[in-house]
Amino acid sequence: ETGVTQSPTHLIKTRGQQVTLRCSSQSGHNTVSWYQQALGQGPQFIFQYYREEENGRGNFPPRFSGLQFPNYSSELNVNALELDDSALYLCASSNGLALDTQYFGPGTRLTVL
Amino acid sequence: AQSVTQPDIHITVSEGASLELRCNYSYGATPYLFWYVQSPGQGLQLLLKYFSGDTLVQGIKGFEAEFKRSQSSFNLRKPSVHWSDAAEYFCAVAPNRDDKIIFGKGTRLHILP
Repeated sequence: ETGVTQSPTHLIKTRGQQVTLRCSSQSGHNTVSWYQQALGQGPQFIFQYYREEENGRGNFPPRFSGLQFPNYSSELNVNALELDDSALYLCASSNGLALDTQYFGPGTRLTVL
Repeated sequence: AQSVTQPDIHITVSEGASLELRCNYSYGATPYLFWYVQSPGQGLQLLLKYFSGDTLVQGIKGFEAEFKRSQSSFNLRKPSVHWSDAAEYFCAVAPNRDDKIIFGKGTRLHILP
């Protein structure tokens, strides 16, 4: 059984660019949630995908978008990058919507210059 | 609105000493409560959770937490810390099992040899 993996590990972009982050769910999991963790802060919920449909969204602008694929892997896309988008982006997969079954990946560190 | 407060940004304890990390939440009803640990380069790992029932909850790695409704608290404890416990600890709350999680800002635990 493989865990949750994320790619890339680190990424550097400049303001105004677009970025795509990827997440592979744990085997058998059909739900993916994405979180943004700024330096010195706790993770903040961005959105969740359940069986390829968005199922809840946090307080993030529309330039944060996502996809979930039939194999339940997921992408987080961020357009028009801003300096404040610099953060660790975490994805978590679960079997169904129950929060206590979430497993987190190691994260992607995004730096926006 | 729900919120989670972790009053201590940093805590330093000696190896072998006892530990208590504080967490207070703001929510009308009894929420779902979680403690997560994040080691450098690692994703979040669930230590324990409280949904209902016995207010003293046992978790992994020898941790426990006690839910006190009257104090709106869910403090994490460990009788004897090990150097490997050095990490960042996050308390989190959700209104129900399927809703989004709100994390506190975290407490960084340092262990003295």
